[in-house]
Amino acid sequence: DVKVTQSSRYLVKRTGEKVFLECVQDMDHENMFWYRQDPGLGLRLIYFSYDVKMKEKGDIPEGYSVSREKKERFSLILESASTNQTSMYLCASRKTGGVTEAFFGQGTRLTVV
Amino acid sequence: AQSVSQHNHHVILSEAASLELGCNYSYGGTVNLFWYVQYPGQHLQLLLKYFSGDPLVKGIKGFEAEFIKSKFSFNLRKPSVQWSDTAEYFCAVTRTRNSGGYQKVTFGTGTKLQVIP
Repeated sequence: DVKVTQSSRYLVKRTGEKVFLECVQDMDHENMFWYRQDPGLGLRLIYFSYDVKMKEKGDIPEGYSVSREKKERFSLILESASTNQTSMYLCASRKTGGVTEAFFGQGTRLTVV
Repeated sequence: AQSVSQHNHHVILSEAASLELGCNYSYGGTVNLFWYVQYPGQHLQLLLKYFSGDPLVKGIKGFEAEFIKSKFSFNLRKPSVQWSDTAEYFCAVTRTRNSGGYQKVTFGTGTKLQVIP
């Protein structure tokens, strides 16, 4: 059974803290993605990575950075958390080539207070 | 840039009613199209996908979608909904960049479907 695992289901952090969200996939997929999901706004792409150490900005990268040191792991970093980053964060992975779907993790609900 | 529009934000239906959820995308090249579903408290999962061939695609749980290239649309349909179809539905599109070969996935804003028993 394919799996995308996000390290935390729920997180509460203080404004200004540095926050790490971790995601691991066991499918040897080249592509990995971080989205945030907000009511009425759907899924918005923050960053994606198509290979180890490679990354591209998505639609809303401001305030975020990412790291991909190993193929199976993709980390999202909030350098200085702010209240407007309170959201559900979804990690996904997808194989390159053909028509393959993205597989999603369970999500991390982050609250910044 | 590619984009996806879902015009129905919230749909309420009675059981056994027919469903059609709209999805339009903006990209003139070759696209791959997907519908995902998110049941309450669960992760996103694939309902169906289109890449080529027959424009009418059948997915799981009795869902189907029709790709109409001239209208840039990929609407989701089900002839008779059930209470268990209550969920949020997302349309998504990908294309392949010529230089990189990697594929950005763009999602629509989602449609919440509520089925009343």
